[in-house]
Amino acid sequence: SQQGEEDPQALSIQEGENATMNCSYKTSINNLQWYRQNSGRGLVHLILIRSNEREKHSGRLRVTLDTSKKSSSLLITASRAADTASYFCATVHTGGFKTIFGAGTRLFVKA
Amino acid sequence: SQTIHQWPATLVQPVGSPLSLECTVEGTSNPNLYWYRQAAGRGLQLLFYSVGIGQISSEVPQNLSASRPQDRQFILSSKKLLLSDSGFYLCAWSAHPGAAETQYFGPGTRLLVL
Repeated sequence: SQQGEEDPQALSIQEGENATMNCSYKTSINNLQWYRQNSGRGLVHLILIRSNEREKHSGRLRVTLDTSKKSSSLLITASRAADTASYFCATVHTGGFKTIFGAGTRLFVKA
Repeated sequence: SQTIHQWPATLVQPVGSPLSLECTVEGTSNPNLYWYRQAAGRGLQLLFYSVGIGQISSEVPQNLSASRPQDRQFILSSKKLLLSDSGFYLCAWSAHPGAAETQYFGPGTRLLVL
């Protein structure tokens, strides 16, 4: 079954630096979403990008989608300690109903 | 605005005991509802989803069951818990109808089976 795979599994950066996380998937999708999860909490939706879109911005977040490579990236600019969390990509197959979540990237931002 | 509640937040249960986790949604009607399980440091595994009252789809054969007795209530149950049922259980909703779009998650229930 299709599943988004995030890369890297873990990332440690200094406050103020940019953080880039990647997601790859295997079959065609309707949309791809990024979620954030603070430790021991529920997931929070960050951004959704549709299969006919290539780039989206939301505040300090920038998401790109390359359907030819079946990959997406999430860029967090000017990171803050409060950005420390796990980030998950989630995909919805073309014609599908379910959202498939990857294993996530753990981001640690050092103050 | 919409809110989603889950309880309890934490639960420690002995092997073989029953389980009932409850999830309720406010501020929307006829939502799609989902139960996920998350192992430590891992992604989410979809357990059940529901598109309406009494309509439950199971994704993974297991020791658990789900019910939707009311439009905005989703219950996860087990008659006899196993050690392997330990994990972090998340309930979520999305707008209905339509293909999967943004999901809104509850705070989760951490279950430890001893």
